[in-house]
Amino acid sequence: DTAVSQTPKYLVTQMGNDKSIKCEQNLGHDTMYWYKQDSKKFLKIMFSYNNKELIINETVPNRFSPKSPDKAHLNLHINSLELGDSAVYFCAIPGPGGGYTFGSGTRLTVV
Amino acid sequence: GQQVMQIPQYQHVQEGEDFTTYCNSSTTLSNIQWYKQRPGGHPVFLIQLVKSGEVKKQKRLTFQFGEAKKNSSLHITATQTTDVGTYFCALTTYKYIFGTGTRLKVLA
Repeated sequence: DTAVSQTPKYLVTQMGNDKSIKCEQNLGHDTMYWYKQDSKKFLKIMFSYNNKELIINETVPNRFSPKSPDKAHLNLHINSLELGDSAVYFCAIPGPGGGYTFGSGTRLTVV
Repeated sequence: GQQVMQIPQYQHVQEGEDFTTYCNSSTTLSNIQWYKQRPGGHPVFLIQLVKSGEVKKQKRLTFQFGEAKKNSSLHITATQTTDVGTYFCALTTYKYIFGTGTRLKVLA
């Protein structure tokens, strides 16, 4: 049973569209994160949510909005998609040993 | 944004050779962590180092935290094709930051 699950795994969409990526965790953690990994493999935090409240909001465009309907879910909604939004997006939760447990990722391609 | 440099950026080795990646910080760290990401996969947490000069081993992997707690290394002895991937360090300054990663290719 996967601790963090993301859907979809792949997402190809046209510029200007609005899309959502879903994340669910089944370990009851209060904190969830969204990370973006660009084509050069750089991993950067986008958002951190603790118990349905936004804690960290890095300098991402306001076209990106995290939505947490409940403690187990942190979805990422993106408006007016641009070419530069193409990347792999990872959801994560605190993991054992002090690190993070990542979801399998969503590869977003904007054409 | 702030980036933590890892060196080298890329490394190609013959199977059986050793490999080392280094992570350097300009500030003293409370801890440092290491992750492995297979091609097409997600980052997987490997280990956390906390103490000055700490050395930890996981089979053929050896992790070291510098005496000044400003740098760390990951060494793989006798690489295998299953070691292919990108290795990241991660550290906490005023926020949690990933290193730039080292991509390892192992040639059979």
